[in-house]
Amino acid sequence: AQSVTQLGSHVSVSEGALVLLRCNYSSSVPPYLFWYVQYPNQGLQLLLKYTTGATLVKGINGFEAEFKKSETSFHLTKPSAHMSDAAEYFCAVSMNTGGFKTIFGAGTRLFVKA
Amino acid sequence: GAVVSQHPSRVICKSGTSVKIECRSLDFQATTMFWYRQFPKQSLMLMATSNEGSKATYEQGVEKDKFLINHASLTLSTLTVTSAHPEDSSFYICSARVLGQATTGELFFGEGSRLTVL
Repeated sequence: AQSVTQLGSHVSVSEGALVLLRCNYSSSVPPYLFWYVQYPNQGLQLLLKYTTGATLVKGINGFEAEFKKSETSFHLTKPSAHMSDAAEYFCAVSMNTGGFKTIFGAGTRLFVKA
Repeated sequence: GAVVSQHPSRVICKSGTSVKIECRSLDFQATTMFWYRQFPKQSLMLMATSNEGSKATYEQGVEKDKFLINHASLTLSTLTVTSAHPEDSSFYICSARVLGQATTGELFFGEGSRLTVL
């Protein structure tokens, strides 16, 4: 069965510090991987995605993620956190199993301390 | 990127009434739209897949008679919560895929609609 696991429901970092949000997945077919960000009372916005090709993917707002097949991981990083990065982050996997279906992780709330 | 718009963003209604939420793709056509429900501090729960010109496909445990979905055109899907009760209070989010981008599965999300049933 396909699944997405985000380690840590809450992550707190200081402004300027490294951001690392963890995501592991399981899939029986090659997955497409996504990170979405959600601000309070808003929908989700795509940060970045991995489909094929280069395993290090760069997204908006300075975020990037690396697809590691051997570790079944797609961790999200940002070298230096900003206060505006405080939000909920969702890792998602999309698979073509006779029709595309997207599975979301439970989400990780990022807190940024001044 | 593709834009999906939801309306209303907030709605408060009395118990027993019905509420309609609209989801529009503004600059692309969407044969398939998805409706999610999100409880506070939780992830998104897929409720149903809305298919243009045909019946929606509901996930297990979602009452199709309570959550009516209509996808009458390539740019509009509606979710109607019938005979709403306080336990239906939640954040409802729609999403869509752009035609021709089905091979990557990328979703574009609406802004969400917060329903409060008194």
